[in-house]
Amino acid sequence: DAGVIQSPRHEVTEMGQEVTLRCKPISGHDYLFWYRQTMMRGLELLIYFNNNVPIDDSGMPEDRFSAKMPNASFSTLKIQPSEPRDSAVYFCASSFGTGGLNTEAFFGQGTRLTVV
Amino acid sequence: AQKVTQAQTEISVVEKEDVTLDCVYETRDTTYYLFWYKQPPSGELVFLIRRNSFDEQNEISGRYSWNFQKSTSSFNFTITASQVVDSAVYFCALHSSNTGKLIFGQGTTLQVKP
Repeated sequence: DAGVIQSPRHEVTEMGQEVTLRCKPISGHDYLFWYRQTMMRGLELLIYFNNNVPIDDSGMPEDRFSAKMPNASFSTLKIQPSEPRDSAVYFCASSFGTGGLNTEAFFGQGTRLTVV
Repeated sequence: AQKVTQAQTEISVVEKEDVTLDCVYETRDTTYYLFWYKQPPSGELVFLIRRNSFDEQNEISGRYSWNFQKSTSSFNFTITASQVVDSAVYFCALHSSNTGKLIFGQGTTLQVKP
């Protein structure tokens, strides 16, 4: 497997524009996580899915953020409208957790978002 | 509620020194997993070790060792004879087997000087 794949790797956008980040998890993994990393807040959990169903989105900062997982091999994180304070590195991760046998999460390379 | 605390924000050592990175966690779960990840300057997150809540055996892997103590809710990481290549941000993480939630500490930046 190629690992967790995120696109784009870098995104520069103007304030007010819509931004969509994409993630392809490792095949067979049933958990998918979205994180945001900033110097001030570290690695924050935004939302996670189990078997394509959102389980906890309490980390999503505002209604401007939304995430979907239409199938087991694809997820998106959307910011609309974007603001400069959304600038960060966004990571997607997936893991196998069925039956309580949690394994380690594997991370994508991240998307560096800059909102100007 | 779950929480992971890495009280050391930054540590600087000279090559060949031993260094211990602290991690303290909070959880009400009886079954959970603890992890350590490394984030080198290139930015990717690299898995180092996993421990489940029922296994308190310490583990050694080369220059790395981990000390899990349930009584103090700690999962500390020691690097023996540190090297410049160990310079990175190290994250401790807690995974609930009940909810599947995976949260990270704030990270400890380790700088190893030659």
